[in-house]
This record gives sequence, C-alpha cells and structure tokens, in this order.
Amino acid sequence: ETGVTQTPRHLVMGMTNKKSLKCEQHLGHNAMYWYKQSAKKPLELMFVYNFKEQTENNSVPSRFSPECPNSSHLFLHLHTLQPEDSALYLCASSPPRGGATGELFFGEGSRLTVL
Amino acid sequence: GEDVEQSLFLSVREGDSSVINCTYTDSSSTYLYWYKQEPGAGLQLLTYIFSNMDMKQDQRLTVLLNKKDKHLSLRIADTQTGDSAIYFCAEVHNDYKLSFGAGTTVTVRA
Repeated sequence: ETGVTQTPRHLVMGMTNKKSLKCEQHLGHNAMYWYKQSAKKPLELMFVYNFKEQTENNSVPSRFSPECPNSSHLFLHLHTLQPEDSALYLCASSPPRGGATGELFFGEGSRLTVL
Repeated sequence: GEDVEQSLFLSVREGDSSVINCTYTDSSSTYLYWYKQEPGAGLQLLTYIFSNMDMKQDQRLTVLLNKKDKHLSLRIADTQTGDSAIYFCAEVHNDYKLSFGAGTTVTVRA
C-alpha cells in the first residue's frame, strides 16, 4: 500500500470509446504525475500538476486529457485512442518540488488495452 | 544519448550477486535512484544515492556512482527469488522532474 490508488486496474476499450482513469493520493502531497509505461521503452512522463495547476505537458496527443480538481485527485480522460496507446499508465505523487530527495510515490497502475 | 540507458534483461542464479548497470544523462543530477517494480505493482523506491557520494551500501544493496562516466550500478548480494522484478534507474533534473530508463527485468533462477 503506497498511499496512491489507481482505478480501474485494467481497462479494455475500443477506439471510439471514452473512458477515464482515476488516481487518488492520501499522502498530503501537492504534486501529481501521469507516466506511460510501455515495454522496452523508458518510462514516459506525460503530465505534471503542482497545486492543481498543470506545469508540464510533454507533447502528449490531445486524445489524452488530464484533470486535477484538487491536490488529492488526478484523472486522465481518454477518447478516440489508438492501439499503440495500449500501455500501463502510472500515477505518482510527491511533495512540492520533489521534497527532500525527489522521491516519487507510485500507484499500481492502470493497464489499458485499446482494440 | 538523451535517454537514461540500461540493459533490458538479467538472469541470475539464486545466491549469486546481481549487477545492474545504468548510464544517465544529466551531470547536474543531485540524486540518482533505483526503483523496483514487482509483478502487477507500481514502482517503489529501492534506494538512492546523493551525487557527492561514490558508494552507498544498504544491507544486500550496493550502489556505485561514477560521475565522470555518468554511470550508476546496483549490486544485489545473495540474490533471492523475491528479487525477481524490473529495476529502473532514474535521475532528477534541475526542474525536479525525474527521467527513467526502460527498466532491467531481473529473473532469478533456482
């Protein structure tokens, strides 16, 4: 139990569907992140939020739309995805500016399959 | 290169030592990290080293840092079946963001 909870753990969707991934952290952190994990590729930073404000959008296609209503919750809205978007999507949180050591606290991930 | 680089696979016999190597990119990184991802789980911080250190030992784990070559390694002594996982090397940049490698899948065989 890392204090970062992601739902759903598994999601299968068609290319025309609209779905959302949810992340919730109970650590009192103010920064939240979305990462994409694909096999044999470096972990890819997608979005960063600090105090609910988006501070990083790493050239992510608009079919991925993040939302951060408060410092504890982060969503990733998905629509008209492509099969190559199939991956494990990881949420993470940290104190502001990474805290003392820059450590990130990860959720268990949402495994997305796009058919 | 622009990516943190590490080999993708390592197979080791139970009881032997495992050594995972990583090359990072940012010479100004204040911390270098090793994260562990067990099957079906997210990443968890395993250990880290401050950039002014050459070595850090923590029980069965030894981290070596060569700043000149931007090379980081993780040695696991007496490797156990529970050490089977994916190990990620990561560096932190001045903007507090972390860059990760692709992960090294360690398989421990009996």
